Amino acid sequence: DQQVKQNSPSLSVQEGRISILNCDYTNSMFDYFLWYKKYPAEGPTFLISISSIKDKNEDGRFTVFLNKSAKHLSLHIVPSQPGDSAVYFCAASARGSTLGRLYFGRGTQLTVWP
Amino acid sequence: DGGITQSPKYLFRKEGQNVTLSCEQNLNHDAMYWYRQDPGQGLRLIYYSQIVNDFQKGDIAEGYSVSREKKESFPLTVTSAQKNPTAFYLCASSIGSWNTGELFFGEGSRLTVL
Repeated sequence: DQQVKQNSPSLSVQEGRISILNCDYTNSMFDYFLWYKKYPAEGPTFLISISSIKDKNEDGRFTVFLNKSAKHLSLHIVPSQPGDSAVYFCAASARGSTLGRLYFGRGTQLTVWP
Repeated sequence: DGGITQSPKYLFRKEGQNVTLSCEQNLNHDAMYWYRQDPGQGLRLIYYSQIVNDFQKGDIAEGYSVSREKKESFPLTVTSAQKNPTAFYLCASSIGSWNTGELFFGEGSRLTVL
């Protein structure tokens, strides 16, 4: 059963506009959330994270918003750039549980066109 | 540079053969993981190890085996019992002291069964 869901397999955005990637989770024990970015034939790289004690975390062009009541988080990229084209994975963990045990969503392919 | 090295990058195997994927890290991380990625499936955990000489099954361990004889190394053997082994395999590691949830990934190994 998928505990972390990314319901949009793909997203296409024009360069300079905002990209919004969404993620839902079902396990109320999750208290730490991460976004990873992955290019083809490479391993994912960590992008940004948020703890459940916050509702927003910002790092440059990337902002993650967390809505605990809705069990929903989103990644905003502003402005989007062609180099942002990649697969984005949402991941979650319960930090009382197995060390580093992350649950991943299926990913969203973001395409940023000029 | 510190990082995770996976080899080989590409591997072809005939049905019925076992194959071992190498994963080495020089990050001095305690925990190591193997994930499998299939198109549209996200990342699924095969095995993980929190400490030398100890490892646990993940969500899809059937048909796989691992060993953790050294802190730096966590090889994965795909056995002939794995019914659908063609996939992209990712090794990762994390700091063992407390769970930030952040994983560091290798560049992956693509296994194709002919």
